[in-house]
Amino acid sequence: AQSVSQHNHHVILSEAASLELGCNYSYGGTVNLFWYVQYPGQHLQLLLKYFSGDPLVKGIKGFEAEFIKSKFSFNLRKPSVQWSDTAEYFCAVSTTGTASKLTFGTGTRLQVTL
Amino acid sequence: GAVVSQHPSWVICKSGTSVKIECRSLDFQATTMFWYRQFPKQSLMLMATSNEGSKATYEQGVEKDKFLINHASLTLSTLTVTSAHPEDSSFYICSAKLSSGNTIYFGEGSWLTVV
Repeated sequence: AQSVSQHNHHVILSEAASLELGCNYSYGGTVNLFWYVQYPGQHLQLLLKYFSGDPLVKGIKGFEAEFIKSKFSFNLRKPSVQWSDTAEYFCAVSTTGTASKLTFGTGTRLQVTL
Repeated sequence: GAVVSQHPSWVICKSGTSVKIECRSLDFQATTMFWYRQFPKQSLMLMATSNEGSKATYEQGVEKDKFLINHASLTLSTLTVTSAHPEDSSFYICSAKLSSGNTIYFGEGSWLTVV
């Protein structure tokens, strides 16, 4: 079974600082990778996803993530965060095929200060 | 993007009663739907995978007789919490997987409080 680990549980950054949130997964086969964001009081939204092709994936709101297969990683990045980026970020992985299911990491709470 | 709707958003029920939460894919067909539970300040825990027309597959530790899942159509899955207890109070989230692809979309979630 696959598992996902997010190393940073709580990150505090000042506005305009650069962001990188770590995500590692364990699974030997082909995977689909996702980052979801949950803003305070709102439901989960898809930030970006990787299925295949270019390992550098660009998502909404200036976020991007890079899939490094050799490191089993899919780190999320943003060059300059804004106060409105304050939210909980979840990395998730699913195996491919009809029996796939989505497994989430524990989440990283990002707090951006003015 | 595709829309997944959950109803109700909030529900309070008495201990011992049952409560049903609906998950609908509004503009697409979903062969597979997932039910998650999220405790405060914690990640989402997959409870079960629901496939249209067949029995749900439950994760280890999830009581299938307590959390009844029905996926009767390609656009609707229901989660019924039977004989609810206060420890069942939680945030329940469903997601739906496009029949034609791998992207999974989430509902808004349902807060259940058992008093």
